[in-house]
Amino acid sequence: EVQLVQSGAEVKKPGESLKISCKGSGYSFTNYWIGWVRQMPGKGLEWMGIIHPYDSDTRYSPSFQGQVTISVDKSISTAYLQWSSLKASDIAVYYCARHAGMYGSIDYWGQGTLVTVSS
Amino acid sequence: QSVLTQPPSVSGAPGQRVTISCTGSSSNIGAGYDVHWYQQLPRTAPKLIIYGNSNRPSGVPDRFSGSKSGTSASLAITGLQAEDEADYYCQSYDSSLSGSVFGGGTKLTVL
Repeated sequence: EVQLVQSGAEVKKPGESLKISCKGSGYSFTNYWIGWVRQMPGKGLEWMGIIHPYDSDTRYSPSFQGQVTISVDKSISTAYLQWSSLKASDIAVYYCARHAGMYGSIDYWGQGTLVTVSS
Repeated sequence: QSVLTQPPSVSGAPGQRVTISCTGSSSNIGAGYDVHWYQQLPRTAPKLIIYGNSNRPSGVPDRFSGSKSGTSASLAITGLQAEDEADYYCQSYDSSLSGSVFGGGTKLTVL
């Protein structure tokens, strides 16, 4: 069974750094692009970017380029999303998402990680 | 403003048919990239219900169907049920952005 299991909810202060994770299981991790999707409170889905675990080829949405870093450790089948300096506007649920190809659908989703930023 | 445009809301009575449109441009849907559709129930992760414009993953009822023409796509739901009440999103690839994009989402209310 394919599963994407994300790390738990986080509460951080503005300016702090953060790295959340997404562990894949039940499939060959290095065969599929894996990406991140943001959902701000009460809002829609926003595609942030993807990475291919085989060679770490990474693509970002222009809206998120330079704001976050997507990485992967294929030895432990885990993808990461990180911030160097959080802002209040980063409050959202972040989903990791397995893509069936760079242009393809998202066939599996993680359960979501809620990130709260508050002083 | 989303690259893919969806109506904010649609509604229908149980048993009726509703459609949700997704309008794009020549850099995404019109360029031939596939459209995919997701259902998001409250407080849950989205779920893929249509991929490759018109294909249903295993387990998705045939009440859900998708189509694409030109720079637009549509999701149709027939025989509406109370459990269909959810947010629906379209997704495609955009060559000018070099990445995927989502529609703004449509809230389906079953009256």
